[in-house]
Amino acid sequence: DSGVTQTPKHLITATGQRVTLRCSPRSGDLSVYWYQQSLDQGLQFLIQYYNGEERAKGNILERFSAQQFPDLHSELNLSSLELGDSALYFCASSVAKGDIQYFGAGTRLSVL
Amino acid sequence: QQPVQSPQAVILREGEDAVINCSSSKALYSVHWYRQKHGEAPVFLMILLKGGEQKGHEKISASFNEKKQQSSLYLTASQLSYSGTYFCGTEGNNDMRFGAGTRLTVKP
Repeated sequence: DSGVTQTPKHLITATGQRVTLRCSPRSGDLSVYWYQQSLDQGLQFLIQYYNGEERAKGNILERFSAQQFPDLHSELNLSSLELGDSALYFCASSVAKGDIQYFGAGTRLSVL
Repeated sequence: QQPVQSPQAVILREGEDAVINCSSSKALYSVHWYRQKHGEAPVFLMILLKGGEQKGHEKISASFNEKKQQSSLYLTASQLSYSGTYFCGTEGNNDMRFGAGTRLTVKP
């Protein structure tokens, strides 16, 4: 158990819909990272937050947004969903830049 | 820009050694190595920081050539449990990028 909690584990929805993925980092970790992993593909970095502020942005679509709350949990919002958004979404947390990232179990999103 | 990993795949017999390479075209702050088994989350193996600091598991070794922005992961005396996909992640000033992965299969 990495100590990073992601909910829900599975999500099935339809095209055009909006979903919210939630991540609770390990106790004491200030950084949260979001990644997308399509079937048998590598990890695509989406966005990073540190202590409530956006720190870095990767290949995140405009239809996607995220935030980190004062209690350090983070949410990834995906809207106007398309079939191609079906993927595993991982959240990872670390104490700071250059530190070990601990990954949650992921949320598997299926867009039908 | 995504780091480049090589080889893409490797098959070993138990007890054999392997080296996985990772190179980046950008100046790096750190290099991370993770292993992922099918359908599971990536698991931390090693992190190498600019300046020489390393954090990792005892049985794993790796190197980081800061001048060339290259890192190598050394797997010795492989075990069946080493099978999985190995990803290198490179951390720059403002982002984190992962390579496409190296699929390692260890056979009895």
